[in-house]
Amino acid sequence: TQLLEQSPQFLSIQEGENLTVYCNSSSVFSSLQWYRQEPGEGPVLLVTVVTGGEVKKLKRLTFQFGDARKDSSLHITAAQPGDTGLYLCAGAPIFLSNDYKLSFGAGTTVTVRA
Amino acid sequence: DAMVIQNPRYQVTQFGKPVTLSCSQTLNHNVMYWYQQKSSQAPKLLFHYYDKDFNNEADTPDNFQSRRPNTSFCFLDIRSPGLGDAAMYLCATSRARQGISPLHFGNGTRLTVT
Repeated sequence: TQLLEQSPQFLSIQEGENLTVYCNSSSVFSSLQWYRQEPGEGPVLLVTVVTGGEVKKLKRLTFQFGDARKDSSLHITAAQPGDTGLYLCAGAPIFLSNDYKLSFGAGTTVTVRA
Repeated sequence: DAMVIQNPRYQVTQFGKPVTLSCSQTLNHNVMYWYQQKSSQAPKLLFHYYDKDFNNEADTPDNFQSRRPNTSFCFLDIRSPGLGDAAMYLCATSRARQGISPLHFGNGTRLTVT
């Protein structure tokens, strides 16, 4: 059973459109991280959200952490082909606070067509 | 720039022929991890080192071993690769245990088993 459920699994959009990726759990997380992985490369950290209700912006990317710290979303405005990649959310649930392990969502594959 | 470097980028081995993948880091991080990632799925943790302390995941097959001779280097040994071991192998580091500090990934080694 995945602790973190990501949706959708695949997303294909035209350049200039907006998109949102969701990361949901029934567990509370102390923090959540978002990574982007381009084809043939390792994942790269985009952001860490820590406080419930927190919103962080990274250029055209907006990350939100749910008030209850059980979910997060990533919104991309005016997507560009360079945004293409596998988006992964990851976090350590509080009920495993003595266990350091990071749980990963299954990822959302985003394709932005020129 | 400080980084995580994996060699080789691509490795082809024969069924049953031992193979070693290497990882080095210039970040001076305490923790080093090995993940297995199959096509557009979430990375799966195989094991990690906290300094010299080795931690194996319960479901990591015995076929997979690891060595960390010093802070900078970590190796993944696959003693008898099977066809199901074909995957991207990602090395990552973090300053502290997962869930507390983010992961820094290398670009991976793509393993093909013939």
